[in-house]
Amino acid sequence: ETGVTQSPTHLIKTRGQQVTLRCSSQSGHNTVSWYQQALGQGPQFIFQYYREEENGRGNFPPRFSGLQFPNYSSELNVNALELDDSALYLCASTQTGAETQYFGPGTRLLVL
Amino acid sequence: QKEVEQDPGPLSVPEGAIVSLNCTYSNSAFQYFMWYRQYSRKGPELLMYTYSSGNKEDGRFTAQVDKSSKYISLFIRDSQPSDSATYLCAITNAGGTSYGKLTFGQGTILTVHP
Repeated sequence: ETGVTQSPTHLIKTRGQQVTLRCSSQSGHNTVSWYQQALGQGPQFIFQYYREEENGRGNFPPRFSGLQFPNYSSELNVNALELDDSALYLCASTQTGAETQYFGPGTRLLVL
Repeated sequence: QKEVEQDPGPLSVPEGAIVSLNCTYSNSAFQYFMWYRQYSRKGPELLMYTYSSGNKEDGRFTAQVDKSSKYISLFIRDSQPSDSATYLCAITNAGGTSYGKLTFGQGTILTVHP
């Protein structure tokens, strides 16, 4: 077990809706990253948060947004869902200088 | 051109075989190289981590990096059915707070049959 949990495990939404995915990291892990993994593909970097501030973003539109909280939890919000947003969403946490980051089990989102 | 290209497979090998998994990358700024293993319906778990050219061994696993050719490999000796999973190479250009910005290959599905 990595100590990183995500909720919910599965989610079904319809196009145009909004969704919030949650991640709980290990104590002391001040960096959290979110990834989108489409079926049969490797994870794609969405963005990273460090000490509650966004610290880099991949090639994702602004309707993907996030928050990181002082209690080592974080959220990924996606507005105006599109069919292509159907994927496994992974969060990964680490601490400064660590050589390891820990992935959660992911939330599988299906957009109909 | 993708920043990281991984031989997609899938690979199916008998138990005990030596498995070779490969990735190439295009950006010479990449400095840190990782291999992750992902079982079905799970998140990726780190197998190997290296930042220099050459070989790094850990049990049955050997990671090889050739920075001059921008080529990385993972070798699995004496493969076991429990090694059946998707293997992902991942690369980043910095450590510290930038460590989390990983660029992944598309993954290789490995099946080891008894």
